[in-house]
Amino acid sequence: DTGVSQNPRHKITKRGQNVTFRCDPISEHNRLYWYRQTLGQGPEFLTYFQNEAQLEKSRLLSDRFSAERPKGSFSTLEIQRTEQGDSAMYLCASSLGSSAGGYTFGSGTRLTVV
Amino acid sequence: EDKVVQSPLSLVVHEGDTVTLNCSYEVTNFRSLLWYKQEKKAPTFLFMLTSSGIEKKSGRLSSILDKKELFSILNITATQTGDSAIYLCAVHDSGNTPLVFGKGTRLSVIA
Repeated sequence: DTGVSQNPRHKITKRGQNVTFRCDPISEHNRLYWYRQTLGQGPEFLTYFQNEAQLEKSRLLSDRFSAERPKGSFSTLEIQRTEQGDSAMYLCASSLGSSAGGYTFGSGTRLTVV
Repeated sequence: EDKVVQSPLSLVVHEGDTVTLNCSYEVTNFRSLLWYKQEKKAPTFLFMLTSSGIEKKSGRLSSILDKKELFSILNITATQTGDSAIYLCAVHDSGNTPLVFGKGTRLSVIA
């Protein structure tokens, strides 16, 4: 197991375009989390899944954002009609159950909207 | 709403110095407090604290929790340039709520 994998590592897009990121969690982990981190800030929670069910969404997650985890394994995060304010590092983490000590983070996808 | 405040936000020290990073929190139903180190990319786990007054130690790093005063400190002794990173504090509420992070402390250790 190579840990949590995120793709792509970097994405530059023009304002108004749609982007999709992928996260492959540790295989036996049933929980998957998406966080966003901007410069000078800690990670901010966006949404999380237990298996394929999306259990919670932050108010930060506007209607331009959608996340899926169709088979309870990998997850995708899509941002439609990107805005410059969406520029950030998007971090994915996974865990087995709600064990806080068990969060493993991926290396993130850095999005730049120009 | 759960809240985590870290101080200082940034710190520059010389190799060999000892540093203390602070984390205060407000949480409805406390379950645990965690420290992470973030270099260029993924935060990596350092400590999880659940009980007051019990020091967790790993090499030159140590951490302790005060549940009465709602804070934790992370100490790093004999700092090295490899300790340069952002140190994140996070709290875990009971139930299913995900971790809530502070803004982090950016530590720079210069030779």
